[in-house]
Amino acid sequence: GNSVTQMEGPVTLSEEAFLTINCTYTATGYPSLFWYVQYPGEGLQLLLKATKADDKGSNKGFEATYRKETTSFHLEKGSVQVSDSAVYFCALSASGGSNYKLTFGKGTLLTVNP
Amino acid sequence: NAGVTQTPKFQVLKTGQSMTLQCAQDMNHEYMSWYRQDPGMGLRLIHYSVGAGITDQGEVPNGYNVSRSTTEDFPLRLLSAAPSQTSVYFCASGAGAPDTQYFGPGTRLTVL
Repeated sequence: GNSVTQMEGPVTLSEEAFLTINCTYTATGYPSLFWYVQYPGEGLQLLLKATKADDKGSNKGFEATYRKETTSFHLEKGSVQVSDSAVYFCALSASGGSNYKLTFGKGTLLTVNP
Repeated sequence: NAGVTQTPKFQVLKTGQSMTLQCAQDMNHEYMSWYRQDPGMGLRLIHYSVGAGITDQGEVPNGYNVSRSTTEDFPLRLLSAAPSQTSVYFCASGAGAPDTQYFGPGTRLTVL
C-alpha cells in the first residue's frame, strides 16, 4: 500500500535559520505530493504541491521538489520566522481511480524561537 | 464562501452514546472525506464520498457510518461511542485529484 515517512520531530530552530523536513514515500504509479501545514488550534491548509516528477512546489518561501528517483519530497525554507511555528504534514494522492484519497505522514512539529 | 464548516467544535460523550458530526461545504465539490487525527499517527481516512449517493470506506471505518444525500453535506455518525474514538475529526472537500483538498477546523471529541 501507499505510505509516507517524514522526519520525526519536534524541530526547534532560531529565527532566520534554514529549515529542512525530510519526506519519502512509497506508492505505485505517479502520485501527486503535498505539504500541508496546521497552525495551533486550526485545520490543515495546503502549503504547496507537485503533481509530476521534477516539479517544484513553492509558497510563502517554502519549496519542495518531487524527486521520483529518490521517492522524496523534502520541504525547505531558507529563513524561518516565528510565525512558521506549526505542524507540517507530507501527503500523497495516489494515481489511478482512487486518487482522491490522501495518505499522510505522521507530522513534524516545528517551533521557531525569536 | 464559508469553505468547509464543521459542528460542533468540541464534544464530550459517554461510552455507548451516539452522535453525528456535521460537515458542510459551499464550494460545490464532488469529493468529501472524513479523517481522524491522533497523536503520533498523522491523519487517517475514515470514509469518503465522490458524489451525492456514493460513499466508501477508508483506512479506519469501523464504528462510523456516513451518508451523502446532497453535494453540500457529509455527516459522520458514531452509533455507539467508545473511548478509542477519542480524537480530533477533520472533514475535507475537493474538486478532484490532484486538486487541493480543503479542510474544516475540526471537531475535538472525547469519549469517557
